[in-house]
Amino acid sequence: DQQVKQNSPSLSVQEGRISILNCDYTNSMFDYFLWYKKYPAEGPTFLISISSIKDKNEDGRFTVFLNKSAKHLSLHIVPSQPGDSAVYFCAARGSGGGADGLTFGKGTHLIIQP
Amino acid sequence: DAGITQSPRYKITETGRQVTLMCHQTWSHSYMFWYRQDLGHGLRLIYYSAAADITDKGEVPDGYVVSRSKTENFPLTLESATRSQTSVYFCASSRDSTYEQYFGPGTRLTVT
Repeated sequence: DQQVKQNSPSLSVQEGRISILNCDYTNSMFDYFLWYKKYPAEGPTFLISISSIKDKNEDGRFTVFLNKSAKHLSLHIVPSQPGDSAVYFCAARGSGGGADGLTFGKGTHLIIQP
Repeated sequence: DAGITQSPRYKITETGRQVTLMCHQTWSHSYMFWYRQDLGHGLRLIYYSAAADITDKGEVPDGYVVSRSKTENFPLTLESATRSQTSVYFCASSRDSTYEQYFGPGTRLTVT
């Protein structure tokens, strides 16, 4: 039972345009959401996060939107750059306290075309 | 500033052998985690630790053992490796109340 879903295994976007990566979740107990970026042969690196009490968080070219009623979040990258080509993982954390780790989606491979 | 390191980076072992993957962090983070990444599954939590001598199971703990005698180290042991444990293993750490986890570079383990 997949609690965090990234339904697009890959996405191709032209350089300079907007990249929109989507993520859906099923567990209403999740209270914090994160996006990680991963290059081949490296560990995931933290990109941006959002608390469930907010609906938007922005950091430079990256903006994450959260729609709690739809249990949906999205990552917008504007403008897209060649270095953005990577696998992006959506992750979520429950609100039960403690440190029970993150639940990850399967990832979306973003390819920025020149 | 070494951050979080994993060793070895690559390992080939045979079915039935014991193998230990090492993880070391220099930030004095309280929490440490082990994940495995497999095609079609994303990253899945194996074990985590909230502090030295405190560990707990994640989503896929079977076949793995962890210990944490020192805050900075969190080794993961496969007591009797199986082919299904062929994977890329990532260690991560985080401070107590912040949710961002910082990942190591990963260990690619192949069990033949």
